[in-house]
This record gives sequence, C-alpha cells and structure tokens, in this order.
Amino acid sequence: DTGVSQDPRHKITKRGQNVTFRCDPISEHNRLYWYRQTLGQGPEFLTYFQNEAQLEKSRLLSDRFSAERPKGSFSTLEIQRTEQGDSAMYLCASSLGGTGTDYGYTFGSGTRLTVV
Amino acid sequence: SQQGEEDPQALSIQEGENATMNCSYKTSINNLQWYRQNSGRGLVHLILIRSNEREKHSGRLRVTLDTSKKSSSLLITASRAADTASYFCATDLNSGYALNFGKGTSLLVTP
Repeated sequence: DTGVSQDPRHKITKRGQNVTFRCDPISEHNRLYWYRQTLGQGPEFLTYFQNEAQLEKSRLLSDRFSAERPKGSFSTLEIQRTEQGDSAMYLCASSLGGTGTDYGYTFGSGTRLTVV
Repeated sequence: SQQGEEDPQALSIQEGENATMNCSYKTSINNLQWYRQNSGRGLVHLILIRSNEREKHSGRLRVTLDTSKKSSSLLITASRAADTASYFCATDLNSGYALNFGKGTSLLVTP
C-alpha cells in the first residue's frame, strides 16, 4: 500500500448532473471517513464507516449525498443533482480501529469538484 | 460546527525562527491531533497527544496540551521553507469516532 487513493483528482460537472468519487483506503485500515473542505476552511466531517457499516453521518450529508463501502474495502461517494454549493475538495481518510480516535488519519489527496 | 479554533489565522516568519500555533476547543476530549496540509493536497498527520499527556515531541515539533484551559500549542523549531503549509488541530466529535478540524493556521516561512 502506498497510501489512500482517490479518483478522480479533479471533476468538473454541470449543475444538476450526478457525480461519483472513489476512495481506496489503506488495506489494513478498517475505518474510512469522508470530509469536505472549502477554500480557507478546515475539513468538515461528512460520514464514517467501520468496515462496511456506515456508523455516522453529518447533517451536512443531505439526501442528495450517498456513500457506500461494499465489503469494507473501497468506498464511493455519490452526489446527485449537483449544485454550485457542492463545489469543494472531497477528502477521504482511513485509520486503524480502536477506542474512539486513538489513531491518526491517513488522508488521500482529495477530489476537487467544480460545479458550473 | 468546528470545535477547534487555531490562532493565529496566518503567520509569517523567516527560516530558522520558531513558529507557534495555538488551538482552543470547547468540550472534553480523549486526544488532540495536529495535521499539516500543503496547498491543494490532503492532510498529513503530525502528532497525537492524549488527554492525560501534557507535552509531546516529534523531531522539530513540540505539542503541549492544557486540558484545564482547553488549549493546545504546536511549536515548530528552526523552521524551514518546506514547513510552509496550513496547520490544523483536530479533536473528537461528540460521538468519539471521528475528528473535528479547526479552520487552520496558514504558515509562511520565507528563506
């Protein structure tokens, strides 16, 4: 493993279109997180998986957003009917399990979404 | 909402100087972590300090934690141009399973 991989790196889409991002975590990590980051801000939590179970979702994750992690491996984040306000960097991170947040996250390089 | 708040928002120093960034938070925590982000890239984990620790070192980094004041500081000694980045502190979200990041301190180190 060379780290957390995210694909694509950049995505430009027209308003109203659907987009899907993929994240491949470090294989030993059973926890996977999605964050969103806008310019000048820190990452904002979207959702968290422990293995294949989605255990927590932020209220930022509207019903247009859905995330999956089939078989506890890679994860996808889909945004339906994109809006200009969805333009942001979408970051994926993974970590080992344990109690609470005992381990640091390994982040991917992110997917930059631009909605035009 | 973001629990951690870094201070200052921006810091400009010359190579060789020390850089100190502070983080304040609102509720009790299990641990506090610091991350670095180079422009347009993902974040890199720097150091984790547990709530029962007061100080921790890693290379040129020194982190302190004062749980009574709900604050932490990150000191980078003998800074280098390569230290130019944004630095974020992160604490547990209420659920305890994910991290909550502050808005970050933007550090510029000039040669």
